[in-house]
Amino acid sequence: AQSVTQLGSHVSVSEGALVLLRCNYSSSVPPYLFWYVQYPNQGLQLLLKYTSAATLVKGINGFEAEFKKSETSFHLTKPSAHMSDAAEYFCAVSAMANTGFQKLVFGTGTRLLVSP
Amino acid sequence: KAGVTQTPRYLIKTRGQQVTLSCSPISGHRSVSWYQQTPGQGLQFLFEYFSETQRNKGNFPGRFSGRQFSNSRSEMNVSTLELGDSALYLCASSLDGKLFFGSGTQLSVL
Repeated sequence: AQSVTQLGSHVSVSEGALVLLRCNYSSSVPPYLFWYVQYPNQGLQLLLKYTSAATLVKGINGFEAEFKKSETSFHLTKPSAHMSDAAEYFCAVSAMANTGFQKLVFGTGTRLLVSP
Repeated sequence: KAGVTQTPRYLIKTRGQQVTLSCSPISGHRSVSWYQQTPGQGLQFLFEYFSETQRNKGNFPGRFSGRQFSNSRSEMNVSTLELGDSALYLCASSLDGKLFFGSGTQLSVL
């Protein structure tokens, strides 16, 4: 079974400050890990995906995440926050089935608040 | 290329009614998954279809069902609606292990 834990339901930063959103995972097999962002009244947009090719994954909008197996973590970072980054962020884990299907198990989400 | 399209965007129903939601995947994507999002339970997997066959199903009652057509479009049906079915229903199409989500259908059950 797989699960993810997102630490902190809300994170507040100032514009220009470092963004750090925490995600820890549990998986009995090598995991695939994802970060998604959801803006109000919208669906989920994929920020980045880890598939074991490289531990540091670069995504869209300046976000990146580092896979640390020893810590079972996949934290999301961005060096400098923009007002437009204010949204809800979801970490997700999956295992590739033989059929190629990936069922995503999501964390509970972290709402990022950015102040001027 | 157009994204995942879900219709309708909003729905209001009363308890006991049934509802059908529609999802058109990205062109070329053959896998379609459905997720339910609620404030209390978060995002939960409902089911996944591939080539008109249900491959996987989440832990939802039989009132929740779906199907996929030969053009990969998918529909989801909920019968005998309950207040707790109020949620954002998200459809996602998949290619190369990446899920692309639509904007969802917001269902309110009164």
